[in-house]
Amino acid sequence: QSALTQPPSASGSPGQSVTISCTGTSSDVGGYNYVSWYQQHPGKAPKLMIYEVSKRPSGIPDRFSGSKSGNTASLTVSGLQAEDEADYYCSSYAGSLYVFGTGTKVTVL
Amino acid sequence: EVQLVESGGGVVQPGGSLRLSCAASGFTLSSDWMYWVRQAPGKGLVWVSRINSDGSITSYADSVKGRFTISRDNAKNTVFLQMNSLRAEDTAVYSCARGASYRLDPWGQGTLVTVSS
Repeated sequence: QSALTQPPSASGSPGQSVTISCTGTSSDVGGYNYVSWYQQHPGKAPKLMIYEVSKRPSGIPDRFSGSKSGNTASLTVSGLQAEDEADYYCSSYAGSLYVFGTGTKVTVL
Repeated sequence: EVQLVESGGGVVQPGGSLRLSCAASGFTLSSDWMYWVRQAPGKGLVWVSRINSDGSITSYADSVKGRFTISRDNAKNTVFLQMNSLRAEDTAVYSCARGASYRLDPWGQGTLVTVSS
């Protein structure tokens, strides 16, 4: 049960785009279309941003988008805003188990 | 308002036990998978356990298997995590979340478990 691999940090200026990768294996990310992404601000509970690779829950702006290719999923945040500065975690179903990514801190410059 | 509230955390000595509770309000969790996730101070999210709607299917992370037990009481709209043989490395904020189609939403605010002598 190894954690999915994410870059520790990513950054962009307001209005720019940032893409975060999430690399797993054929037993998790590559094997199922059940990748989710969560946003967590300091001291707050995680918030679901993307589920089933590319679907957005109601209320999540379309600036957030998800995709997957092989064993790697990606989250793109377009039109960066100050409030997007947070930690982001991917997750995946892994055949009766569940696994999170290592987390990426997004900084808005 | 859909809400999950955890309780039962605290300070416990190594080898000790704690039972966490996760109470739902604003919705009935009897039809949902439920998850426990933990986050050590300054660290990332780690999945701990999950249970299906009627409690007949459970799974655990290797790090807690054999020590932790997840259960639920749908009549009380509550999910539990019994933690035994606690270790220092179990120190974390433990959060519960509803898990439909493997997406966790909503999450509770969590309860802090500190394992220390």
